[in-house]
Amino acid sequence: QVQLQESGSGVVKPSQSLSLTCTVSGVSIASGGYSWNWIRQPPGKGLEWIGYIYHTGTTSYNPSLESRVIISVDKSKNQFSLKLNSVTAADTAVYYCAGWFGHFDPWGQGTLVTVSS
Amino acid sequence: FMLTQPHSVSESPGGTVTISCTRSSGSIASNFVQWYQQRPGSAPTTMIYENNQRPSGVPDRFSGSVDSSSNSASLTISGLKTEDEADYYCQSFHSNTIYVFGSGTKVTVL
Repeated sequence: QVQLQESGSGVVKPSQSLSLTCTVSGVSIASGGYSWNWIRQPPGKGLEWIGYIYHTGTTSYNPSLESRVIISVDKSKNQFSLKLNSVTAADTAVYYCAGWFGHFDPWGQGTLVTVSS
Repeated sequence: FMLTQPHSVSESPGGTVTISCTRSSGSIASNFVQWYQQRPGSAPTTMIYENNQRPSGVPDRFSGSVDSSSNSASLTISGLKTEDEADYYCQSFHSNTIYVFGSGTKVTVL
């Protein structure tokens, strides 16, 4: 059973960088097959796809966020990470990591990141 | 492109609701559509993938379809139960590398 768990900073100051890590269990990232994704949901609003990475390091990002986003993978730790630069209050959201293999499944439980001074 | 859904739909227990997902540009048939259910405080779960496929464990009360004439996809829930009350999101792709979510629909079971 594949499981994902997000971890990282819960509060980030405006103009700083948000950093989150997703730890994968039940499957090796290095085995391929999945893309590994970050998705966010501002309070009371809909889902927004941020980007993905494959085990090869190939990435794709939401064009609206591309200039501020970096997704990386650490196969030795079976983890992938999100860095979002120059955050504002509009980046306050629950951030989910999710695997894709024909559809988004599984998902992490989500972690709330608040941008506030 | 955008995927536009109705903000909310409601129906009585035992009834049927259909949620539309209209693609703003490009053909809805050019990429698979998925549907996700999200209950308050929880991560989304897949109800339909590849237009009309149900993951194991999803009841056959849930069905998906695509209509090229209206450039939209639909999720139909029949035999509504109170447990179906949730937000539902469609999702598709742009150029097979950019993932797009619909605006979301709140289903209320009266």
